[in-house]
Amino acid sequence: DTEVTQTPKHLVMGMTNKKSLKCEQHMGHRAMYWYKQKAKKPPELMFVYSYEKLSINESVPSRFSPECPNSSLLNLHLHALQPEDSALYLCASSPLAGGTDTQYFGPGTRLTVL
Amino acid sequence: LAKTTQPISMDSYEGQEVNITCSHNNIATNDYITWYQQFPSQGPRFIIQGYKTKVTNEVASLFIPADRKSSTLSLPRVSLSDTAVYYCLVGDISSGDKLTFGTGTRLAVRP
Repeated sequence: DTEVTQTPKHLVMGMTNKKSLKCEQHMGHRAMYWYKQKAKKPPELMFVYSYEKLSINESVPSRFSPECPNSSLLNLHLHALQPEDSALYLCASSPLAGGTDTQYFGPGTRLTVL
Repeated sequence: LAKTTQPISMDSYEGQEVNITCSHNNIATNDYITWYQQFPSQGPRFIIQGYKTKVTNEVASLFIPADRKSSTLSLPRVSLSDTAVYYCLVGDISSGDKLTFGTGTRLAVRP
């Protein structure tokens, strides 16, 4: 299995809602990532988990809360989002094999905040 | 962390070879060069990775000169389905680098 899966594919939420994005991989990778991508822009790194511990947080607002329950799962909890948070949210994983580490991306969740 | 510079866009025709160059003047000794392809509303997909000289796989070649300050992704005989954004990334995960996506090159392949 060489796939990163993300659910849901699409999500529409209001600014007062609480929702979660889910990401799963079964490749035995020990690093997982969340990216945010706005239209016609490159992906921007939000969080990096290495061996299930948060290793990099790119100063993302607290309304985004990541969680890594185990080495195969990565969640992104959303609360009190703003319309400008509407974007494609990408999850990725990598083996954590050093300089040759390759990131495998999921298809993304298209989030719309009303 | 080495910063990368790529052309914003390129046009080509089906069947042609396309070469996309990436500049990374301050590349570090341990950094690798990795290229990703991204179609609209999909996650980026790994194409190729190299450290020096030339690397070739079933979809592309990567040319890296001796000084490693630039690299060129070569796509042989492109088709319409190669229309995508191509990103060059430079870094070393083992050193704690977070690989940063630059602006990428938007390639348009025409019939």
